[in-house]
Amino acid sequence: GQNIDQPTEMTATEGAIVQINCTYQTSGFNGLFWYQQHAGEAPTFLSYNVLDGLEEKGRFSSFLSRSKGYSYLLLKELQMKDSASYLCAVPSGGSYIPTFGRGTSLIVHP
Amino acid sequence: EAGVVQSPRYKIIEKKQPVAFWCNPISGHNTLYWYRQNLGQGPELLIRYENEEAVDDSQLPKDRFSAERLKGVDSTLKIQPAELGDSAVYLCASSTRDRGSEKLFFGSGTQLSVL
Repeated sequence: GQNIDQPTEMTATEGAIVQINCTYQTSGFNGLFWYQQHAGEAPTFLSYNVLDGLEEKGRFSSFLSRSKGYSYLLLKELQMKDSASYLCAVPSGGSYIPTFGRGTSLIVHP
Repeated sequence: EAGVVQSPRYKIIEKKQPVAFWCNPISGHNTLYWYRQNLGQGPELLIRYENEEAVDDSQLPKDRFSAERLKGVDSTLKIQPAELGDSAVYLCASSTRDRGSEKLFFGSGTQLSVL
């Protein structure tokens, strides 16, 4: 099994930068996903990290450290539409099916 | 390309009544998942299909929940009888393999309210 931990809620100002952390414990590592979920909508894929380091994709970047069991999602130039829940997901040991954390609710205010 | 399609979008029923959800995955995706998401929580896997075979249903409450995926395409998830605690969003997803893990594509979900 595994344990995924991320903050419940964060707030930030439009135009700012925010970092959402995720720590995990798993008996076997097959990558880490970040999904975005707007209220009342389905989760949508943001990123997938399997190697250590930072992967940048426009305003969003995702970082992974396998030795520390740690990842973060970095959102730059925040916009109001970025207000959503951000879900960290890790396949459980020996599996390739992601198990989701409870999500971090990000509130972006003017 | 069409995404994962689910229906109905919303369902309100009284406890002890049956309810069914339908899912059409992305064409060509052999793996289909049913997840349940409670308010303020992440999705929790109920069952996973590889084609028409259920390969992981360990989290499915089998006394009241059932699922099928005929011909390895569309799938239905049924609850009979429903209980108050079943109120949640039921998400269907299908997936493709990405560097050793499964990248999931979700449908819009069915929001179930049991009164």
